[in-house]
Amino acid sequence: DGGITQSPKYLFRKEGQNVTLSCEQNLNHDAMYWYRQDPGQGLRLIYYSQIVNDFQKGDIAEGYSVSREKKESFPLTVTSAQKNPTAFYLCASRRDRGNQPQHFGDGTRLSIL
Amino acid sequence: AQSVTQPDIHITVSEGASLELRCNYSYGATPYLFWYVQSPGQGLQLLLKYFSGDTLVQGIKGFEAEFKRSQSSFNLRKPSVHWSDAAEYFCAVPHAGGTSYGKLTFGQGTILTVHP
Repeated sequence: DGGITQSPKYLFRKEGQNVTLSCEQNLNHDAMYWYRQDPGQGLRLIYYSQIVNDFQKGDIAEGYSVSREKKESFPLTVTSAQKNPTAFYLCASRRDRGNQPQHFGDGTRLSIL
Repeated sequence: AQSVTQPDIHITVSEGASLELRCNYSYGATPYLFWYVQSPGQGLQLLLKYFSGDTLVQGIKGFEAEFKRSQSSFNLRKPSVHWSDAAEYFCAVPHAGGTSYGKLTFGQGTILTVHP
């Protein structure tokens, strides 16, 4: 079955460390998105990408970086510059046709040690 | 700019009771709208979507939503709630403008608790 795979499910970061969250999709979707979810704040967009080798900042990009070297992969790096990284991170993808909805992975929970 | 408001942070209902979750949007044109559901520790699952046409939209798991342009609302309903419906529900509207790239603005979410 097609879907979006996020790994790992749980991730721990030490102070001053960069960590990378994986997102892979086999839906042949063009667009991919990263969200951060905090209790009571809904979902906030970090980065998004419409095509390979191109991506744009979302609403809260500071302290994060991404790459899009392959259509199916959109990894997110949480850098040491992100001072409050503890959150639930969600990856989504979408077929870039008309009003197609976004489809989501199962998320990665990042915590600080 | 577009916005979505879910006025109820937390709703509690008894199993078998009817349910209505509220969603109000602000959008410059006729929007398309989505409802998603999230179980604890999971991703979001699409419940239903409104694009145009019939204002009453049927979704999965027995949910439906009604688009009311005059009230700028897209409320989610279910006639009889099951314990497995306990989750968080999100309403979403697309970003406005020609370069929206499919981006969505989400409401704050409504947590549904179901009592036996």
